Amino acid sequence: KNEVEQSPQNLTAQEGEFITINCSYSVGISALHWLQQHPGGGIVSLFMLSSGKKKHGRLIATINIQEKHSSLHITASHPRDSAVYICAVLPADSNYQLIWGAGTKLIIKP
Amino acid sequence: DAGITQSPRHKVTETGTPVTLRCHQTENHRYMYWYRQDPGHGLRLIHYSYGVKDTDKGEVSDGYSVSRSKTEDFLLTLESATSSQTSVYFCAISENVYSNQPQHFGDGTRLSIL
Repeated sequence: KNEVEQSPQNLTAQEGEFITINCSYSVGISALHWLQQHPGGGIVSLFMLSSGKKKHGRLIATINIQEKHSSLHITASHPRDSAVYICAVLPADSNYQLIWGAGTKLIIKP
Repeated sequence: DAGITQSPRHKVTETGTPVTLRCHQTENHRYMYWYRQDPGHGLRLIHYSYGVKDTDKGEVSDGYSVSRSKTEDFLLTLESATSSQTSVYFCAISENVYSNQPQHFGDGTRLSIL
């Protein structure tokens, strides 16, 4: 069983829809990252969370440490949001090694 | 955007040849990482560095070596490339993994071993 599970693996939605991507993990963590990888391949860090909620523009990330679960929400989705969204966790007993989820491929249709 | 440059961006080579990938940063960040990304897998850490001449292995280090002689440069070497090392390689940097500092990624190197 993977230590970081993302769901869904693939998601196709219409422009304007509210999007939720989930990340569940099985280890105690110090922090959780959400990253975005565009079709061209570049990877951009979106959020780093250790508790609560963060918001940046139309993106909102939440984390529930007790339930070992995080969600990434996109409001008023747009075709330019089409990308792979990746969750990664830093285990509490780790030095530098993140554990990576396999990613969620999101396609937003106009 | 963080100043990270990977070179080359694309390379095709033959099995058994040595290959060196370079990651250059202008951010003066202490930590540098090499990952590989393959279909069906998340990013997998190959090696990382926590300072000049300070490196350690990641989860998929077999067949790879690294060197960091300067803060700004982190080299990944495949001593004798194999077809299983065909992948996209990403370099990343971070200022301090324990603080609220994310990792910043280079644009990747697409490596094909024939």
